[in-house]
Amino acid sequence: QVRLQESGPGLVKPSQTLSLTCIVSGGSISSGSYYWSWIRQSAGKGLEWIGRISASGKLNYTPSLKSRVAISVDTSNNCFSLNLTSVTAADTAIYYCARAPESMSRSLDLWGRGTLVTVSS
Amino acid sequence: DIQMTQSPSSLSASVGDRVTITCRASQSVNTYLNWYQQKPGKAPDLLIYGASSLQIGVPSRFTGSGSGTDFTLTITSLQPEDFATFFCQQTYTTPRTFGQGTTVEIK
Repeated sequence: QVRLQESGPGLVKPSQTLSLTCIVSGGSISSGSYYWSWIRQSAGKGLEWIGRISASGKLNYTPSLKSRVAISVDTSNNCFSLNLTSVTAADTAIYYCARAPESMSRSLDLWGRGTLVTVSS
Repeated sequence: DIQMTQSPSSLSASVGDRVTITCRASQSVNTYLNWYQQKPGKAPDLLIYGASSLQIGVPSRFTGSGSGTDFTLTITSLQPEDFATFFCQQTYTTPRTFGQGTTVEIK
Protein backbone atom coordinates (compact mmCIF):
# COMPACT_ATOMS: atom_id res chain seq x y z
CA GLN A 1 0.00 0.00 0.00
CA VAL A 2 1.02 3.64 -0.34
CA ARG A 3 3.23 5.00 2.41
CA LEU A 4 4.67 8.42 3.14
CA GLN A 5 7.98 9.05 4.88
CA GLU A 6 9.39 12.41 5.88
CA SER A 7 13.15 12.97 5.80
CA GLY A 8 15.42 15.87 6.63
CA PRO A 9 17.52 17.44 9.39
CA GLY A 10 16.15 17.32 12.92
CA LEU A 11 18.01 20.48 13.94
CA VAL A 12 18.07 23.80 12.10
CA LYS A 13 19.76 27.01 13.23
CA PRO A 14 17.73 30.22 13.57
CA SER A 15 17.52 32.29 10.37
CA GLN A 16 18.41 29.26 8.23
CA THR A 17 16.17 27.24 5.92
CA LEU A 18 14.24 24.16 7.00
CA SER A 19 14.13 21.59 4.19
CA LEU A 20 12.12 18.38 4.32
CA THR A 21 11.24 15.77 1.73
CA CYS A 22 8.32 13.35 1.74
CA ILE A 23 8.99 10.12 -0.11
CA VAL A 24 5.93 8.38 -1.52
CA SER A 25 6.31 4.61 -1.79
CA GLY A 26 3.95 1.88 -2.96
CA GLY A 27 2.29 4.05 -5.59
CA SER A 28 2.89 6.87 -8.02
CA ILE A 29 2.61 10.44 -6.84
CA SER A 30 1.10 11.22 -10.25
CA SER A 31 -1.70 8.66 -10.16
CA GLY A 32 -5.17 9.59 -9.01
CA SER A 33 -6.42 13.02 -8.06
CA TYR A 34 -4.52 13.98 -4.95
CA TYR A 35 -3.04 16.97 -3.28
CA TRP A 36 0.18 16.36 -1.35
CA SER A 37 0.24 18.32 1.87
CA TRP A 38 2.42 19.50 4.72
CA ILE A 39 1.09 19.96 8.26
CA ARG A 40 2.94 20.77 11.44
CA GLN A 41 2.14 20.32 15.10
CA SER A 42 3.59 22.25 17.98
CA ALA A 43 2.57 22.38 21.61
CA GLY A 44 1.64 26.02 21.34
CA LYS A 45 -0.39 26.03 18.12
CA GLY A 46 -1.82 22.54 17.72
CA LEU A 47 -2.17 21.28 14.15
CA GLU A 48 -1.31 23.83 11.48
CA TRP A 49 -1.87 23.23 7.77
CA ILE A 50 1.14 24.61 5.87
CA GLY A 51 0.17 24.02 2.26
CA ARG A 52 -0.35 21.57 -0.56
CA ILE A 53 0.69 20.77 -4.11
CA SER A 54 -0.82 18.62 -6.84
CA ALA A 55 1.24 16.37 -9.10
CA SER A 56 0.78 18.98 -11.83
CA GLY A 57 2.14 21.69 -9.55
CA LYS A 58 -0.99 23.51 -8.37
CA LEU A 59 -0.15 25.18 -5.06
CA ASN A 60 -1.87 26.57 -2.00
CA TYR A 61 -0.16 27.99 1.09
CA THR A 62 -1.41 29.20 4.42
CA PRO A 63 -1.23 33.02 4.39
CA SER A 64 0.71 33.30 7.65
CA LEU A 65 3.66 31.39 6.17
CA LYS A 66 3.29 32.28 2.50
CA SER A 67 6.24 34.68 2.42
CA ARG A 68 8.62 32.00 3.78
CA VAL A 69 7.36 28.68 2.42
CA ALA A 70 7.83 26.80 -0.82
CA ILE A 71 6.44 23.36 -1.64
CA SER A 72 7.60 21.50 -4.73
CA VAL A 73 6.94 18.13 -6.33
CA ASP A 74 9.39 15.79 -8.06
CA THR A 75 7.38 13.25 -10.01
CA SER A 76 10.44 11.45 -11.37
CA ASN A 77 11.61 10.66 -7.83
CA ASN A 78 8.08 10.25 -6.45
CA CYS A 79 8.46 12.80 -3.70
CA PHE A 80 7.51 16.30 -2.67
CA SER A 81 9.37 18.82 -0.55
CA LEU A 82 8.96 21.67 1.91
CA ASN A 83 11.30 24.63 2.27
CA LEU A 84 10.74 27.14 5.07
CA THR A 85 13.13 30.08 5.17
CA SER A 86 14.26 32.37 8.01
CA VAL A 87 13.19 29.95 10.73
CA THR A 88 12.84 30.90 14.37
CA ALA A 89 12.13 28.92 17.53
CA ALA A 90 8.43 29.29 16.72
CA ASP A 91 8.95 26.93 13.78
CA THR A 92 9.98 24.10 16.10
CA ALA A 93 7.38 21.38 15.55
CA ILE A 94 6.65 17.90 14.33
CA TYR A 95 6.26 18.14 10.56
CA TYR A 96 3.95 15.71 8.79
CA CYS A 97 3.40 15.05 5.12
CA ALA A 98 -0.01 13.77 4.10
CA ARG A 99 -2.18 12.91 1.11
CA ALA A 100 -5.50 14.62 0.37
CA PRO A 101 -7.75 13.02 -2.26
CA GLU A 102 -9.94 15.36 -4.29
CA SER A 103 -12.83 13.14 -3.26
CA MET A 104 -13.53 12.12 0.37
CA SER A 105 -14.22 15.71 1.33
CA ARG A 106 -10.56 16.52 0.55
CA SER A 107 -9.60 15.02 3.91
CA LEU A 108 -6.08 13.89 4.82
CA ASP A 109 -6.49 10.16 4.39
CA LEU A 110 -2.84 9.10 4.64
CA TRP A 111 -0.11 10.57 6.84
CA GLY A 112 3.60 10.07 7.29
CA ARG A 113 4.92 9.27 10.75
CA GLY A 114 6.15 12.82 11.22
CA THR A 115 9.59 14.25 11.90
CA LEU A 116 10.57 16.55 14.75
CA VAL A 117 12.41 19.67 13.66
CA THR A 118 13.99 21.79 16.36
CA VAL A 119 15.16 25.32 15.64
CA SER A 120 18.07 26.12 17.92
CA SER A 121 21.62 27.43 17.77
CA ASP B 1 -9.28 32.01 7.85
CA ILE B 2 -12.14 29.87 9.14
CA GLN B 3 -11.77 29.32 12.89
CA MET B 4 -12.66 25.88 14.26
CA THR B 5 -13.60 25.62 17.93
CA GLN B 6 -13.94 22.27 19.69
CA SER B 7 -15.57 21.57 23.01
CA PRO B 8 -14.76 20.36 25.48
CA SER B 9 -10.96 20.63 25.43
CA SER B 10 -10.77 17.47 27.49
CA LEU B 11 -13.08 14.99 29.13
CA SER B 12 -12.88 11.97 31.39
CA ALA B 13 -14.99 8.94 30.60
CA SER B 14 -15.26 5.26 31.37
CA VAL B 15 -15.22 2.25 29.07
CA GLY B 16 -18.72 1.79 27.71
CA ASP B 17 -19.69 5.46 28.03
CA ARG B 18 -21.25 7.44 25.22
CA VAL B 19 -19.00 10.40 24.38
CA THR B 20 -19.88 13.47 22.34
CA ILE B 21 -17.43 16.08 21.02
CA THR B 22 -18.58 19.22 19.24
CA CYS B 23 -16.88 21.36 16.62
CA ARG B 24 -18.08 24.78 15.56
CA ALA B 25 -16.90 26.70 12.49
CA SER B 26 -16.74 30.48 12.37
CA GLN B 27 -18.62 30.36 9.04
CA SER B 28 -20.39 27.69 7.07
CA VAL B 29 -18.21 24.85 5.77
CA ASN B 30 -21.15 22.92 4.27
CA THR B 31 -20.21 19.31 5.06
CA TYR B 32 -16.50 19.72 4.39
CA LEU B 33 -15.68 18.65 7.92
CA ASN B 34 -13.38 15.81 8.90
CA TRP B 35 -12.47 14.15 12.20
CA TYR B 36 -9.11 12.67 13.15
CA GLN B 37 -7.89 10.60 16.09
CA GLN B 38 -4.36 11.00 17.38
CA LYS B 39 -2.66 8.75 19.91
CA PRO B 40 0.51 9.85 21.75
CA GLY B 41 3.59 9.81 19.56
CA LYS B 42 1.61 8.96 16.41
CA ALA B 43 0.32 10.85 13.43
CA PRO B 44 -3.40 11.62 13.27
CA ASP B 45 -5.65 9.02 11.65
CA LEU B 46 -8.70 9.91 9.59
CA LEU B 47 -11.93 8.74 11.25
CA ILE B 48 -14.74 10.55 9.45
CA TYR B 49 -14.84 12.69 6.31
CA GLY B 50 -17.60 14.75 4.80
CA ALA B 51 -19.10 15.24 8.28
CA SER B 52 -20.61 11.75 8.45
CA SER B 53 -18.80 9.24 6.22
CA LEU B 54 -16.81 6.61 8.06
CA GLN B 55 -13.27 6.00 6.79
CA ILE B 56 -12.60 2.41 5.77
CA GLY B 57 -11.61 0.28 8.76
CA VAL B 58 -12.98 2.64 11.40
CA PRO B 59 -15.39 0.96 13.86
CA SER B 60 -19.07 1.79 13.55
CA ARG B 61 -19.20 3.07 17.14
CA PHE B 62 -17.80 6.33 15.70
CA THR B 63 -20.45 8.54 14.11
CA GLY B 64 -20.36 12.07 12.78
CA SER B 65 -23.15 14.51 12.10
CA GLY B 66 -23.81 18.14 11.28
CA SER B 67 -23.60 20.65 8.48
CA GLY B 68 -22.99 24.33 8.09
CA THR B 69 -21.27 25.48 11.27
CA ASP B 70 -22.07 22.86 13.91
CA PHE B 71 -20.78 19.32 13.97
CA THR B 72 -20.64 16.41 16.38
CA LEU B 73 -18.46 13.35 16.79
CA THR B 74 -20.04 10.62 18.89
CA ILE B 75 -18.47 7.45 20.24
CA THR B 76 -21.43 5.27 21.18
CA SER B 77 -19.59 2.89 23.54
CA LEU B 78 -16.08 3.98 24.48
CA GLN B 79 -13.43 1.26 24.18
CA PRO B 80 -9.98 1.17 25.82
CA GLU B 81 -8.27 1.87 22.48
CA ASP B 82 -10.35 5.04 21.97
CA PHE B 83 -8.55 7.09 24.60
CA ALA B 84 -6.80 9.69 22.47
CA THR B 85 -7.04 13.25 21.18
CA PHE B 86 -9.61 14.07 18.51
CA PHE B 87 -9.38 16.94 16.01
CA CYS B 88 -11.86 18.40 13.56
CA GLN B 89 -10.71 20.00 10.30
CA GLN B 90 -12.54 22.04 7.69
CA THR B 91 -11.70 21.48 4.05
CA TYR B 92 -14.27 23.90 2.61
CA THR B 93 -11.61 26.42 1.73
CA THR B 94 -7.90 27.12 2.05
CA PRO B 95 -6.18 27.50 4.34
CA ARG B 96 -7.43 24.27 5.84
CA THR B 97 -7.86 24.76 9.58
CA PHE B 98 -8.11 22.44 12.56
CA GLY B 99 -9.83 22.59 15.89
CA GLN B 100 -7.58 22.75 18.94
CA GLY B 101 -8.33 19.15 19.89
CA THR B 102 -10.31 17.25 22.51
CA THR B 103 -8.47 14.79 24.73
CA VAL B 104 -10.49 11.82 25.95
CA GLU B 105 -9.01 10.45 29.16
CA ILE B 106 -9.79 7.45 31.30
CA LYS B 107 -11.98 8.19 34.31
